[in-house]
Amino acid sequence: EDKVVQSPLSLVVHEGDTVTLNCSYEVTNFRSLLWYKQEKKAPTFLFMLTSSGIEKKSGRLSSILDKKELFSILNITATQTGDSAIYLCAGEEYGNKLVFGAGTILRVKS
Amino acid sequence: NAGVMQNPRHLVRRRGQEARLRCSPMKGHSHVYWYRQLPEEGLKFMVYLQKENIIDESGMPKERFSAEFPKEGPSILRIQQVVRGDSAAYFCASSPMRDEKLFFGSGTQLSVL
Repeated sequence: EDKVVQSPLSLVVHEGDTVTLNCSYEVTNFRSLLWYKQEKKAPTFLFMLTSSGIEKKSGRLSSILDKKELFSILNITATQTGDSAIYLCAGEEYGNKLVFGAGTILRVKS
Repeated sequence: NAGVMQNPRHLVRRRGQEARLRCSPMKGHSHVYWYRQLPEEGLKFMVYLQKENIIDESGMPKERFSAEFPKEGPSILRIQQVVRGDSAAYFCASSPMRDEKLFFGSGTQLSVL
């Protein structure tokens, strides 16, 4: 059965810290790995990763995929209180079916 | 360009009643997906629809649940004879084409008393 496992389940850091969120996946007909940020409502898209070893960056966030080890990480540098959210990782099968992990709850303290 | 619109935001039903959840995809999107999020769990795929067609319903419970996406109007997720275990957040997502990035709505929180 397809599964996506995220770690840690929750994390509390101080503003300015750097965090690394982990995601391992086992998804048949794998097409891509996606990261979403969820703040009480709609998950908002962060990254889509399809190739190994190519880092994607957006401001203080970056992510990379390892298709050999079936693993991805999401890095957030210089964290801010506005980064507090649930970060969801999902493996995508061809046909847009997403298999989500349970998420990592990040809380950034000021 | 409005995002994916779901209504209602919150829905309260008593056991045995019917729940109807609506989703209007983003403009230009003809592919709709429904996901369910139980407390402290990740989102679980339910069904994938394209206009007037169900493409993949492998995540739908076999009984009481149905979904449609008519030629005109929003997609509807219908739950008949709701039970307490149906209480969850139901998210809709849309994409312009198959294998394109999904955009999510804000969800409908269903509470069954």
